[in-house]
Amino acid sequence: EVQLVESGGGLVQPGGSLRLSCAASGFTFSNYWMGWVRQAPGKGLEWVANINQDGSDIYSVDSVKGRFTISRDNAKNSLSLQMNSLRAEDTAVYYCVTYHVSSGYFDHWGQGTLVTVSS
Amino acid sequence: DIQMTQSPSSVSAFVGDRVTITCRASQGISNWLAWYQQKPGKAPKFLISSASSLQSGVPSRFSGSGFGTDFTLTISSLQPEDFATYYCQQANSFPLTFGGGTKVEI
Repeated sequence: EVQLVESGGGLVQPGGSLRLSCAASGFTFSNYWMGWVRQAPGKGLEWVANINQDGSDIYSVDSVKGRFTISRDNAKNSLSLQMNSLRAEDTAVYYCVTYHVSSGYFDHWGQGTLVTVSS
Repeated sequence: DIQMTQSPSSVSAFVGDRVTITCRASQGISNWLAWYQQKPGKAPKFLISSASSLQSGVPSRFSGSGFGTDFTLTISSLQPEDFATYYCQQANSFPLTFGGGTKVEI
């Protein structure tokens, strides 16, 4: 069974940093594209970033470029999102997802971790 | 960026009703469209890919159709467990974008 477990969320002040992690199990992590999708409280879904199997190909939404960095450690079956220069509008639940690159959908989702940016 | 517009934003329905949700893309996306279901406090669940391919384990009362810019998700006979918010997502190009969601209420 595919399991994605996020951690690292919490309360951070504007301008601060936070690192999210996602522990993957139940599938061959190194064979899959991975990504992050977020959801602001009471709002819809927003794709954040994707990374390919070996980390050589990365895509992200413009609003996080230069501030967020997605990375992975295939030896540890782990996905990360380093978030710097956080803003109030980054407040959201962040979901770790598997990305099916041939059809472009997110087929497995973690339970999410809440990031709150507030003073 | 490709904008995805869902309608209606919410719909009230009875158990047994047929419900149709529409998703429109701001430009042609072929059949690069997925649908998700989200229940309160839970992560989204993937339902349909390539506009009409049902994910394994998804009940057959769910169906998707469309091509180009106009797409629909239909629930043929609404069940109590189907009350949720549904999102479409275009997979044609980055940035990947979602519709605003359609809440299906009792």
